[in-house]
Amino acid sequence: GENVEQHPSTLSVQEGDSAVIKCTYSDSASNYFPWYKQELGKGPQLIIDIRSNVGEKKDQRIAVTLNKTAKHFSLHITETQPEDSAVYFCAASDYKLSFGAGTTVTVRA
Amino acid sequence: DVKVTQSSRYLVKRTGEKVFLECVQDMDHENMFWYRQDPGLGLRLIYFSYDVKMKEKGDIPEGYSVSREKKERFSLILESASTNQTSMYLCASSDRGNTDTQYFGPGTRLTVL
Repeated sequence: GENVEQHPSTLSVQEGDSAVIKCTYSDSASNYFPWYKQELGKGPQLIIDIRSNVGEKKDQRIAVTLNKTAKHFSLHITETQPEDSAVYFCAASDYKLSFGAGTTVTVRA
Repeated sequence: DVKVTQSSRYLVKRTGEKVFLECVQDMDHENMFWYRQDPGLGLRLIYFSYDVKMKEKGDIPEGYSVSREKKERFSLILESASTNQTSMYLCASSDRGNTDTQYFGPGTRLTVL
């Protein structure tokens, strides 16, 4: 089955700086790569996704890049704000989602 | 607004008890999922269902069973709870297809003593 590795496990950034989270996957058949954000006491919520026919996608301060050859994809958050503090999960899907272990992002004011 | 609800936010049970976790979605979604979330392990799929009365094992089904008698409701059953089943349990639903957004409930934190 699919194996997704996510790094780093924790990330602390100064407000206004950028944050980057990287994930690798094992199954070349995976064709859908979503990112979820989980705030304290809540379930994960989709923030952005990318499909295998696209290399990059951007939504305001959030962007995701995909390199299918290398089997890795990354989340970039620019101009970080305190409300970006949360746990972020990457995932990869062939017919079901497999999640990474998560990255706890802390934005320092 | 999309809504997935779970019957309890916190649950404490004793070893050997039968435990039911209920999940309801109001979006008429075809697919429903049960995950458990543990620190350092992310979300791991226990079971999922593509249709009423249909179920399929996920990555860690041992010790669990599920029931989907109605489209909107998906239940996770721990036949005989054990301490290693202490965890956060998350329910999710999605429309057709493996590339559709999954909507998660708030989770149930289960402690087995």
